[in-house]
Amino acid sequence: LAKTTQPISMDSYEGQEVNITCSHNNIATNDYITWYQQFPSQGPRFIIQGYKTKVTNEVASLFIPADRKSSTLSLPRVSLSDTAVYYCLVGDPWASGTYKYIFGTGTRLKVLA
Amino acid sequence: NAGVTQTPKFRVLKTGQSMTLLCAQDMNHEYMYWYRQDPGMGLRLIHYSVGEGTTAKGEVPDGYNVSRLKKQNFLLGLESAAPSQTSVYFCASSYDRTGGGYTFGSGTRLTVV
Repeated sequence: LAKTTQPISMDSYEGQEVNITCSHNNIATNDYITWYQQFPSQGPRFIIQGYKTKVTNEVASLFIPADRKSSTLSLPRVSLSDTAVYYCLVGDPWASGTYKYIFGTGTRLKVLA
Repeated sequence: NAGVTQTPKFRVLKTGQSMTLLCAQDMNHEYMYWYRQDPGMGLRLIHYSVGEGTTAKGEVPDGYNVSRLKKQNFLLGLESAAPSQTSVYFCASSYDRTGGGYTFGSGTRLTVV
């Protein structure tokens, strides 16, 4: 299970593009990179998952460089409702033989008017 | 609507009391999990289950017990509540072992006084 490092918090203004970078230097060959979003008083919800290069869906884009030691979640034109905590998860939670998923503290994004 | 339902949503217990939190999913998922989240912290895994009739300990299992008698239900029990168990509890389920398939419930806010 790869250790991940994300910024603790970020502020942005409405309408701006927000990029949140996650470092995962010891990512394994078969590891996927997954991002979750958690609004206040709610459980996390899946945003996007990727393995390499670029993945895009209706909510976000995920950029993964060739060495895969980091990844960047990109949120286009954020609004106040994008204020949330964003978690970067990397790896196989079952790699050790038992389940182990570390959500960490995530990145707290605050969107300002 | 399909998803994960947690009951109750709020509860206040006195120290030493017991209670059971119920998690129900209607997606036929094999895997189910209980997490706790404390202010400013990430999610910590309490217990999990890989199928009906199975349970296993997570990172912080002490003071909790679980049961998975039916595939769709995962119960979390507190036999003798302590103030340190004041937290928000989230249940989740997934259909496979990758990182992208988690569905979380909306949480149970528990206060132990």
